[in-house]
Amino acid sequence: EAAVTQSPRSKVAVTGGKVTLSCHQTNNHDYMYWYRQDTGHGLRLIHYSYVADSTEKGDIPDGYKASRPSQENFSLILELASLSQTAVYFCASRTGGDSERLFFGHGTKLSVL
Amino acid sequence: EQQVQQSPASLVLQEAENAELQCSFSIFTNQVQWFYQRPGGRLVSLLYNPSGTKQSGRLTSTTVIKERRSSLHISSSQITDSGTYLCAMEPNYNVLYFGSGTKLTVEP
Repeated sequence: EAAVTQSPRSKVAVTGGKVTLSCHQTNNHDYMYWYRQDTGHGLRLIHYSYVADSTEKGDIPDGYKASRPSQENFSLILELASLSQTAVYFCASRTGGDSERLFFGHGTKLSVL
Repeated sequence: EQQVQQSPASLVLQEAENAELQCSFSIFTNQVQWFYQRPGGRLVSLLYNPSGTKQSGRLTSTTVIKERRSSLHISSSQITDSGTYLCAMEPNYNVLYFGSGTKLTVEP
């Protein structure tokens, strides 16, 4: 089973502060994603990457930056955290081949105060 | 616009009853996945079903691409099936759009 590890598991940040969420995957997956989940809602795609040193914008990229320094690592950066960015953030990676399954991390609960 | 609609939003069953969850898409897709999420937990892929019918244990997914819909049937529900079930579709290879989910509660 593919392993996707997120850190931290939870974080409290102040408005205007910088927040970095980290994601590490084993199994050498090409694609990595950052999703945001708000209470009672589905997941919305923020950024994704299909190769190291390259990132792509998802549906809601405003206020977020992403970084993929290596195949295994994918970070989400909030340069100026805002109240509206309080949510649970999930990282995911994807295997190729016949089964296009998506593997998720445990999530990071971010509270911006 | 919500591209993936799921129904019902919530469902309460008695143990051993069957559940039928629905998913519809506003645009055409050729990739559909169903996920399960425990409260506060990670999402786990249940079934990848681009078309037709696929079964995994007590779970059966039926996708009719030309009608832009997919369903997930859970037979003989168990208390441990409680959680949220999310449907996702993929109109482009690298982007998945998720529905808001169906919250399932199975009572003894």
